[in-house]
Amino acid sequence: ELKVEQNPLFLSMQEGKNYTIYCNYSTTSDRLYWYRQDPGKSLESLFVLLSNGAVKQEGRLMASLDTKARLSTLHITAAVHDLSATYFCAPNLFGNEKLTFGTGTRLTIIP
Amino acid sequence: GAVVSQHPSRVICKSGTSVKIECRSLDFQATTMFWYRQFPKQSLMLMATSNEGSKATYEQGVEKDKFLINHASLTLSTLTVTSAHPEDSSFYICSARERTGPFLAFFGQGTRLTVV
Repeated sequence: ELKVEQNPLFLSMQEGKNYTIYCNYSTTSDRLYWYRQDPGKSLESLFVLLSNGAVKQEGRLMASLDTKARLSTLHITAAVHDLSATYFCAPNLFGNEKLTFGTGTRLTIIP
Repeated sequence: GAVVSQHPSRVICKSGTSVKIECRSLDFQATTMFWYRQFPKQSLMLMATSNEGSKATYEQGVEKDKFLINHASLTLSTLTVTSAHPEDSSFYICSARERTGPFLAFFGQGTRLTVV
């Protein structure tokens, strides 16, 4: 059974600072998805990482994948208030349609 | 990108009644859709996989007689919460995945169910 852990679970950071969210998973996966969820809303797709060593960047967010270590990171650069949300990772093995979500990281950016 | 539409977005019902939630894929055919449940401040838990033209596959611990899933066409799956109780109050989200490429998953807007 695939287990997905994110840390930290809660993160409060000041605007302008950098931080990293970690996603560890227990079984082999060859792709990984990152999602954002605002309070009371559904999920918004951020990144899909399709291979070992993949790195994707969009604005102040950068995601990477190390399939050997079963680890993905989501790095936040110079945080701004608009990034406050809950972030979920979801590793996936090719051919398996189910997505298993991580525990989520609730990010709060403080002015 | 592809769009998944879920309706209603919010529903309040009395204990003992049934509620139907619809999930439509608007611009692609989805032979498989997924239903998730999310309690406040928790992650998404997969309830069942909805298969077009066949029975849904339920995750362990999910009562199939309580959460009825019908996937009658390639663009529509429905989840019916039967004889709802307050403990069924939750946020329900449907999803459909692309069948090619990066196999992106698209999510409906979610349905906030409150049973009183």
